[in-house]
Amino acid sequence: QKEVEQDPGPLSVPEGAIVSLNCTYSNSAFQYFMWYRQYSRKGPELLMYTYSSGNKEDGRFTAQVDKSSKYISLFIRDSQPSDSATYLCAMSQMDSSYKLIFGSGTRLLVRP
Amino acid sequence: EAQVTQNPRYLITVTGKKLTVTCSQNMNHEYMSWYRQDPGLGLRQIYYSMNVEVTDKGDVPEGYKVSRKEKRNFPLILESPSPNQTSLYFCASRSGEKLFFGSGTQLSVL
Repeated sequence: QKEVEQDPGPLSVPEGAIVSLNCTYSNSAFQYFMWYRQYSRKGPELLMYTYSSGNKEDGRFTAQVDKSSKYISLFIRDSQPSDSATYLCAMSQMDSSYKLIFGSGTRLLVRP
Repeated sequence: EAQVTQNPRYLITVTGKKLTVTCSQNMNHEYMSWYRQDPGLGLRQIYYSMNVEVTDKGDVPEGYKVSRKEKRNFPLILESPSPNQTSLYFCASRSGEKLFFGSGTQLSVL
């Protein structure tokens, strides 16, 4: 079993829809949770970062962490075609090695 | 512009022919790392470096070497590439909790 599970998609939604992206994990020691966005032929870029449980909002993006269920989510409101990309969740115990465990990514397509 | 630069972007080679993928960052970051990205497996760490002359294995180090002689450069060396090393490779440097990734090197080993 992988430490981090993520549905690969693709997820296709119309412009303006609310998008929900999710990951589950098995290691209860993870404390730091991130979402990266990766456009085609580009490297991942950090989108959201949260520590422990709770919500964090940044513009149209909201990250949620539920440590009791080992479940994290990224919500995108008013989705735009420019949001079409692959979204990778990542998590870490944040020890000295800074080892990030990535999900395999969910491909999102926002249709105009 | 702050960036991580990898070269080459695309590389096709044959089994056993030594190759080096270069990585350079201009942000004065101490931490650098290499990842490979494969369909269905996500990003997996190959090697990382906490500082100059300090390197350590990640999750999939077999068949790879790295060196960190200068702060800005962190090359990835494949001494004898094999077809199972065909992958998309990313170099990254770190500031706080944020990783900055290069644009990737698509390697095909025939």
